[in-house]
Amino acid sequence: EVQLQESGPGLVKPSQSLSLTCSVTGYSITSNYWGWIRKFPGNKMEWMGYISYSGSTSYNPSLKSRISITRDTSKNQFFLQLNSVTTEDTATYYCARWRNTYAFDYWGQGVMVTVSS
Amino acid sequence: DIQMTQSPASLSASLGETVSIECLASEGISNDLAWYQQKSGKSPQLLIYAASRLQDGVPSRFSGSGSGTRYSLKISGMQPEDEADYFCQQSYKYPLTFGSGTKLEIK
Repeated sequence: EVQLQESGPGLVKPSQSLSLTCSVTGYSITSNYWGWIRKFPGNKMEWMGYISYSGSTSYNPSLKSRISITRDTSKNQFFLQLNSVTTEDTATYYCARWRNTYAFDYWGQGVMVTVSS
Repeated sequence: DIQMTQSPASLSASLGETVSIECLASEGISNDLAWYQQKSGKSPQLLIYAASRLQDGVPSRFSGSGSGTRYSLKISGMQPEDEADYFCQQSYKYPLTFGSGTKLEIK
């Protein structure tokens, strides 16, 4: 069974970088697409970006200057880095499989990240 | 960006009742629409993709329909375990965008 799990700090200071890891088991990240989505307080959902089976990436233009998604295929992990965070980046962050660009069919449990000094 | 307007924001339904949730896209999305269920404290689960295709393992009381800019999710016979948030998501154009969500409660 495909499983994803996010990990990373739950508290980040303003202006610093947010770094999260998504560990995948049961499926190789060298197949399909792998994304990051966040849910803000108040329930708005935002797609942040994805990394493909080949390592290519696509980002939400609203984040393009601050976001980077990378991967380590040897560990079957992919990563999110979001730079210059503000309190508006406080959200629950999810990683998910973006199946054949149709839909997100497997999700991690989510990690709540608070940006605060 | 394609805006997804979801309605209603909340509703309550009796057990066994049929409920519908709608998403209106700001432009045609050619059936590139998914529906998700998110229970409290849990991660989202895919219910429907390509507007009307039921994800494996999802009960058949869930169904999706629509075309063009207007899509809907129907639950035929509300069950206690259906109490959750529901949201739509378009995959027709990047950036992918989501509806604002519907909170479904048992009356």
